[in-house]
Formats: sequence, structure tokens, C-alpha cells
Amino acid sequence: EAAVTQSPRNKVAVTGGKVTLSCNQTNNHNNMYWYRQDTGHGLRLIHYSYGAGSTEKGDIPDGYKASRPSQENFSLILELATPSQTSVYFCASGDAGDSSYEQYFGPGTRLTVL
Amino acid sequence: AQKVTQTQTSISVVEKTTVTMDCVYETRDSSYFLFWYKQTASGEIVFLIRQDSYKKENATVGHYSLNFQKPKSSIGLIITATQIEDSAVYFCAMRGPITGNTGKLIFGLGTTLQVQP
Repeated sequence: EAAVTQSPRNKVAVTGGKVTLSCNQTNNHNNMYWYRQDTGHGLRLIHYSYGAGSTEKGDIPDGYKASRPSQENFSLILELATPSQTSVYFCASGDAGDSSYEQYFGPGTRLTVL
Repeated sequence: AQKVTQTQTSISVVEKTTVTMDCVYETRDSSYFLFWYKQTASGEIVFLIRQDSYKKENATVGHYSLNFQKPKSSIGLIITATQIEDSAVYFCAMRGPITGNTGKLIFGLGTTLQVQP
């Protein structure tokens, strides 16, 4: 059973519209992450969270907000979507205190901004 | 700054042979962790194997093993007895020490492996 799920899996949005990408994890990990994947850039970190109520900026946070209302849920918000935000977005969970140290990824959301 | 470089863009091998994928990294941390992930054609990203910088032994999981050469800042992935289903994009990644670290991963750009019958 998938431990990290994302919704929607595909999304088409209009320029200037608001987009919310949702992520849920059942790993009971403290940390959660949002990445985007683009050809030529690989996976880049947008925002992350240490736990409920916390959000931190990653390497490319401009144009994005994040929300962590609970241990299980982490959302990525595009208040004013632009075509440059067309990408595949991955959520991941992990735990600095976990002996495994690695991150576990969701299936990804393909976002197209027209 | 931390950096991960995968110089091989793509590799093609015949099934049942062994393939090695290269990865070099840059870090100032004395303790760090190195990972390899596999991204399948469906887009799923799966964790494969990890190497802790303080361990001298190369990690092995199933038909995946690592060639960790710390003085060269190199962590190669070796896949033995390759199968058609090993065809995928393989990413090398690094994270800093556990204490006080965000846990964020720095990824290379990936190597596409095609296994031919």
C-alpha cells in the first residue's frame, strides 16, 4: 500500500489561477518535501517541513507557498500560476531521526499551466 | 556548496551483463549519506541503496552494489545480471549529517539505462 500519495495526479491550470497540490503520507515521518522535476535540472527542492505547522524554503521557493496542517499532510500552493511552473511535482517524506535516512516519494503530479 | 554530478547521460547494455553508473559529489561535511534512486517509465521514484560516509564497506542490496571511493568523492552504482526491467533513469543523491540537518537531498541529473534483450 502506497505510503506517500499525491492529488491530483494531473492538473491543467490557467495563468493567474490558484493551484493547490496535496500530499499525504502514512510513514509517520516528521519531514516532508516538495520537489519539481524538469529536464536538464533534475529534482529541485521547493519547500520542506519539519512537522505540523512548520514550513521552510528550499532552493527554489519563489512563486510557491506551502502548508503543513498535520503530520500526514503537506500542500504546495501556487497563488498565481505561471507557464514557467509547468512541471512534474513530487512530494516525499523522510525523517532525520529515522535510522534509514532516505526519503520516500509519491507518484508525482503533472501540472500544466496554460 | 554541495553538488552531485552524473557524467553519463545514457548507457545501453545487453541483459544479464553488469553495468556501472558513475557519480561524483562535492561536500564540506565530514559526515554525509549517499543514495541511489531509480525512476521508472511510469515516473515512480524508488529508493535503491544507501552508503554512509563513515562506513568503509560498500553497501549491497540484492543485485545492486556500490563502489564507494571516498578519496575520489565517488559513489558508483553497480547492477549485476541486468534485466529488462532495470531499464530506467538512475539518480545519485546526497544529504548532509543527521544532526541539525534538514534532511534535504541534492540530486544529480540522472543516467538513463537501457537494457536490451
